[in-house]
Amino acid sequence: DVQLVESGGTLVRPGGSLRLACAASGFTFKTYWMMWVRQAPGKGLEWVANIKGDGSTRYYVDSVEGRFTISRDNAENTLYLQMNSLRAEDAGVYYCARDQNYRYGSAYYDALDSWGRGTLVAVSS
Amino acid sequence: AIQMTQSPYSLSASIGDRVIITCRASQGIRNDLAWYQQKPGRAPNLLIYGASRLQSGVPSRFSGSGSGTDFTLTISSLQPEDFATYYCLQDYNYPRTFGRGTKVEIK
Repeated sequence: DVQLVESGGTLVRPGGSLRLACAASGFTFKTYWMMWVRQAPGKGLEWVANIKGDGSTRYYVDSVEGRFTISRDNAENTLYLQMNSLRAEDAGVYYCARDQNYRYGSAYYDALDSWGRGTLVAVSS
Repeated sequence: AIQMTQSPYSLSASIGDRVIITCRASQGIRNDLAWYQQKPGRAPNLLIYGASRLQSGVPSRFSGSGSGTDFTLTISSLQPEDFATYYCLQDYNYPRTFGRGTKVEIK
């Protein structure tokens, strides 16, 4: 079975840094795009970043560009999110998710078919 | 960034009701849209991909339709386990964007 287990969430002061990890198992990790999605307390979902299977391509939401870095260690089947210069608005639950590519006839679609349980990041002085 | 306008923000419905949730994209996104269900304290769960393709294991009372800019998620006969918050997500381009969510509550 596919498993994604996040860790690293904690209370950090504004301006501080944190590294989240997501341990993957049950699938060939290096062949999948992976994603971080976050959810502020009582709010909706927000896509944060994506990384290609070989780590060669990454995308970020504008609000974290230059502060957060998504990376992966395919030998260890682990996804990371390095978070620097943290702000109050970065607080929330951070989920890692697998980006599955579906083929339907001649068309291809992407969707997040597996999610971790999330790790909580609090930003406060 | 593509804006996803989801409505309604919340709705109250009874068991057995037909429920319709809509998402409108600020530009055409072909069929590159998925729907997710999230229950309190839990991670989201994929229901529909490619606007209308049912994810394996998801009950057939869930269906999706639409293309271009207008999409709907329909629950044909609401069940007790369906009370949750539903989100659309466009995967047409980056940044990926979610709708703000629709909370389905018990009437």
